[in-house]
Amino acid sequence: RKEVEQDPGPFNVPEGATVAFNCTYSNSASQSFFWYRQDCRKEPKLLMSVYSSGNEDGRFTAQLNRASQYISLLIRDSKLSDSATYLCVPGRVRGNTGKLIFGQGTTLQVKP
Amino acid sequence: NAGVTQTPKFQVLKTGQSMTLQCAQDMNHEYMSWYRQDPGMGLRLIHYSVGAGITDQGEVPNGYNVSRSTTEDFPLRLLSAAPSQTSVYFCASSATGLGADEQFFGPGTRLTVL
Repeated sequence: RKEVEQDPGPFNVPEGATVAFNCTYSNSASQSFFWYRQDCRKEPKLLMSVYSSGNEDGRFTAQLNRASQYISLLIRDSKLSDSATYLCVPGRVRGNTGKLIFGQGTTLQVKP
Repeated sequence: NAGVTQTPKFQVLKTGQSMTLQCAQDMNHEYMSWYRQDPGMGLRLIHYSVGAGITDQGEVPNGYNVSRSTTEDFPLRLLSAAPSQTSVYFCASSATGLGADEQFFGPGTRLTVL
C-alpha cells in the first residue's frame, strides 16, 4: 500500500457545487495533516493544516477519520478560482527524523 | 524574508551533462527537501535533510546527490543527466517539531534533458 493515496480525478463540477475528495494514509501514527493547493505546476501553497479531528476555513473543511485512516477536503459553493490540484501530506511521525511524502494530488475543475 | 529561493528557473541540458540546482532558505528551517514533479503526477521526494550534515534518500533518489553543509543551503546535483530526469524540481523547507511540518516551497526549476 502506498504511504499516501489520492484519487487523481479530475473532478468536474459546476460553479456552486459542493465537492469532496479523500486522502488515505498508511501510517496510523500520523498526528498532523496538510492540504496544499497547486496551480498549473506552480509551487504548492498551504491551504489547511489539521491537527485534531478537523479544521474549517470559510468554504473549506477538512475532516480526519483516524479509524479508516483518511482525511477529506470538502469545498462548498465552488468557485471557478478553486480549479487547481489539491495535494495532501501527513506530517512526520518520528519527530525530527521523518520525511514528508505527498499524495498524487486530486485535480478539480470547476465549470461555469 | 526571501523565503525559499531556487536557481536557475529554467535549464536545458544534454544527456550526460552534470549540473547543480541551487536551493536556499532564510527562515532557519532545519528540514529541507527536493521533489520532482512530472506531468500528471504528484510530487515525488528525491532527497531530504533534517539538519546540517544530515541527508537521506526519498522515494526516487537514483541519479541525484545532495549535501547540506549549512542550514540555509541544500543543493541538488545531477551527476549525468538523462532524458528521464526532465521534470520540474521543487525545493521546500519546514521547521521541525511535532506539528511544525508546514512546508514552504521555492518557485521551481524547469529542467529539460535532450
